Amino acid sequence: DIQMTQSPSSLSASVGDRVTITCRASQSISTYLNWYQQTPGKAPKLLIYAASSLQSGVPSRFSGSGSGTDFTLTISRLQPEDFATYYCQQSYSSPFTFGPGTKVDIK
Amino acid sequence: QVQLVQSGAEVKKPGASVKVSCKASGDTFTSYGISWVRQAPGQGLEWMGWITVYNGDTNYAQKLQGRVTMTTDTSTSTAYMELRSLRSDDTAVYFCARDVIAPLRWDPWGQGTLVTVSS
Repeated sequence: DIQMTQSPSSLSASVGDRVTITCRASQSISTYLNWYQQTPGKAPKLLIYAASSLQSGVPSRFSGSGSGTDFTLTISRLQPEDFATYYCQQSYSSPFTFGPGTKVDIK
Repeated sequence: QVQLVQSGAEVKKPGASVKVSCKASGDTFTSYGISWVRQAPGQGLEWMGWITVYNGDTNYAQKLQGRVTMTTDTSTSTAYMELRSLRSDDTAVYFCARDVIAPLRWDPWGQGTLVTVSS
C-alpha cells in the first residue's frame, strides 16, 4: 500500500495568512493526488484533484502543486470558513490511502 | 448535480452485521461508481472499497476482505455497504462518495452514518 504523510499535523494561523500544507507519498504517484477539507461533523469536501486542478465552486485562494512524491496545498489568504482539517489522498492505486490530516485552527 | 443521502445511525453488538444505504439523485446512477470511506472517532479517513454501478464490479480494501460487501439497487439508485462480524474498532462514521474518473477523485459525499459497536 502507498503510505501518505502530511506536515504539519496541525497549525495555528490568523485570518489573512498564507498557509501551506505538505503531503508526501511513499512512492511516486505522478499527479494522482486529491485534497479534501473537512469541518467537524461534516463530510469531506473535494478541493483539488489531480494535484493542481481546482474543483468547481472552490474559491481560487486554494491551490495545489507537486508531482511524484511531494505535494503542497496552499491557501493564499485564510478566511474564517477555512478553519478545518485538510486531507490528501492518492488516487494512483488501490487502496486509495489518505494522509493523516492537517488541522488548521485559529491563532 | 448528484446528491447522496445515507441511512441513519446504527447501534450494533459485537459479532453482528450492519447494512448502510446511500441513495443517489441528480444524475444517471449507472454512469459512475460509489466508494465507501470510514472515519473512526477523532481519527483520519480510511477508504474501504468501491463498486462500479453499471456492472457490479467491486474492489475492497484487503483488510476488510471477507467481512464487507458492497451492492447497488439500480431501480432505486441506492448503494449499500454491509459489514459483518462487527468489532468495537468498527465504530466509525461511514461515508459514501461518488467516484469521478479521469482523473479519479471522489465528489460529492454523503452526510455520513454513525455505526456504534458496543455490547
